[in-house]
Amino acid sequence: GQNIDQPTEMTATEGAIVQINCTYQTSGFNGLFWYQQHAGEAPTFLSYNVLDGLEEKGRFSSFLSRSKGYSYLLLKELQMKDSASYLCAVRDLGTGFQKLVFGTGTRLLVSP
Amino acid sequence: DSGVTQTPKHLITATGQRVTLRCSPRSGDLSVYWYQQSLDQGLQFLIQYYNGEERAKGNILERFSAQQFPDLHSELNLSSLELGDSALYFCASSGGSRGSNEQFFGPGTRLTVL
Repeated sequence: GQNIDQPTEMTATEGAIVQINCTYQTSGFNGLFWYQQHAGEAPTFLSYNVLDGLEEKGRFSSFLSRSKGYSYLLLKELQMKDSASYLCAVRDLGTGFQKLVFGTGTRLLVSP
Repeated sequence: DSGVTQTPKHLITATGQRVTLRCSPRSGDLSVYWYQQSLDQGLQFLIQYYNGEERAKGNILERFSAQQFPDLHSELNLSSLELGDSALYFCASSGGSRGSNEQFFGPGTRLTVL
C-alpha cells in the first residue's frame, strides 16, 4: 500500500521562507509531485521530481531523496497569495499503470 | 485555465438519487482520472481511463461507475447517494497512460446530498 505524511498546518510571514516536508512509503515509486490548491479550487501543478536532488522553479523548489522516502517543497519570498494547501503526491506504478496517491495536504497561512 | 472542463459546477440532490458528472479532458489528452475530495479526507483517487479503457481503480465504491467515450469525454455516475457522498469531485487529464508527467485538473463539481 501507500502512505504519505505531511504536516497539517504551517504558518509563516510574508517575505519569509517556508519548507513543507513530505514522507512517503510506496511499492512502485515513479515520481513525486507537488500541487497547490486554494480553497474550493482545483489543484495546480507546481513541481515534479523523479531523481534525487533539487528542482528549482522561480520562488518554488522541490527536493527528493528516494532512499529516505522524503521530499520537501521550499517556498521563498512568501506572498499573501501563497496561502493555500500544498499537496504531496506520489506516482505509483505498482499496478502497472500510473496512479497518483495524494497526501492530505499542508495548509499554509501567510500573514503580513 | 487548465483546459479540462467539468459540468455541472454545483449539484444538490437527495439521498437515494443518482447523478452523472461530466468531464472533457484537455485537447489531445488520452487519460482521464476521477478524484473525490471530502472535507475530512484528502484527494482520493477513484478511477482512471485511457483511450476508452479502464486502466486503474482506486477507492471507488460499487455504487459509483465511470466510462470514457470515443470522443474521450468521461462521465462519473453516482447512484444510491448517501450523505457521506457530499464532496468535491475532480476530473484530471494527462497525455498518456505512462506519458505526461503532470495531471491537469478541472474546476470540480461540488456535490451536496441532502
